Amino acid sequence: SAVISQKPSRDICQRGTSLTIQCQVDSQVTMMFWYRQQPGQSLTLIATANQGSEATYESGFVIDKFPISRPNLTFSTLTVSNMSPEDSSIYLCSKIGADTQYFGPGTRLTVL
Amino acid sequence: GNSVTQMEGPVTLSEEAFLTINCTYTATGYPSLFWYVQYPGEGLQLLLKATKADDKGSNKGFEATYRKETTSFHLEKGSVQVSDSAVYFCALINFNKFYFGSGTKLNVKP
Repeated sequence: SAVISQKPSRDICQRGTSLTIQCQVDSQVTMMFWYRQQPGQSLTLIATANQGSEATYESGFVIDKFPISRPNLTFSTLTVSNMSPEDSSIYLCSKIGADTQYFGPGTRLTVL
Repeated sequence: GNSVTQMEGPVTLSEEAFLTINCTYTATGYPSLFWYVQYPGEGLQLLLKATKADDKGSNKGFEATYRKETTSFHLEKGSVQVSDSAVYFCALINFNKFYFGSGTKLNVKP
């Protein structure tokens, strides 16, 4: 099975601030994915982080709010900018393996 | 388009009861189907998968069969344990993109 790590594992932040979440995967991949899981809900894809090009955002998510970096084939960051309490969620990164998808442990964000 | 619909929870069962969590899907082409499990306070883990029609995925006593004729991938377990209490997500992958159901919370009481 794949190894995906995320930092931080959890954080409590004040509204109006920004938090950058790091994701490290154990093998080189072209695409990494960032998801949000709001309390009691399913996963929603935020964006696909492509190495060598700009991230591709899903409907309802914009680069100014969720800037993404992808400096190499094993690492990505997601920033949650100008946070509000509605951004309180678990944020997960993932990669696709052999016809399945592997997820990191998630970053539990609480915005006060 | 692609979508996954699964039964709403929570589902509450006594230990050793039979479990079924329904999942149906809509997809273009030939998706692969998955069940993921999320234990309290933990991340998502792959439980089982099936990559083509009539395939049966199985793991830890759980089973699901890819039924193309009914576009279903129902999760079953013959005898649940308290440790199976978790949220279960049905998902499909099509053209490198994942689509998740809304999740079904399972509570198993001793």
